[in-house]
Amino acid sequence: TQLLEQSPQFLSIQEGENLTVYCNSSSVFSSLQWYRQEPGEGPVLLVTVVTGGEVKKLKRLTFQFGDARKDSSLHITAAQPGDTGLYLCAGDTSGTYKYIFGTGTRLKVLA
Amino acid sequence: EAQVTQNPRYLITVTGKKLTVTCSQNMNHEYMSWYRQDPGLGLRQIYYSMNVEVTDKGDVPEGYKVSRKEKRNFPLILESPSPNQTSLYFCASSLGTGPAFFGQGTRLTVV
Repeated sequence: TQLLEQSPQFLSIQEGENLTVYCNSSSVFSSLQWYRQEPGEGPVLLVTVVTGGEVKKLKRLTFQFGDARKDSSLHITAAQPGDTGLYLCAGDTSGTYKYIFGTGTRLKVLA
Repeated sequence: EAQVTQNPRYLITVTGKKLTVTCSQNMNHEYMSWYRQDPGLGLRQIYYSMNVEVTDKGDVPEGYKVSRKEKRNFPLILESPSPNQTSLYFCASSLGTGPAFFGQGTRLTVV
């Protein structure tokens, strides 16, 4: 089973710091999604990107889709404790709605 | 309120005893899918459905069945559960690109 590679796996930072999470694959994606998941709950969709080079912003979160549509990044500015959670990327490589997920980045923001 | 509802939330069963996990969405979404989440392996797609009577295998379909007789419901059936199917299961739905809304999860233990 192919998985998207996410890095780092774990990240512990102080409130107010900036961070970037990466999602990489050797495959080209038709679309790519980012989610945040909290313990005991289902993932919550943050954003969908579909166009190479696309940049989307959601408050303090900035998402970028690579030009070749093989990678993506999530940048958080001035992290807050409420940003704590498991961040997942997922994508569809074949346009068939058969989605694969990354193994996730577990973020902890300390007050 | 837009939601995906899974039942049950928790289930302990014995090897070989057939079970069904129900999933229902109230958003008139065409796309529905099932995932299992295991430590170190991330979320893996079991089955997905593009519309009523249209289903297809994801990455890990062995040991599972699904049906899509109505748009709102997408049950997951384990005909003869085995211990290696112990996992956290999620159902999801969307209008198209990528799973958008996830259920609360079903934690299944097969002994």
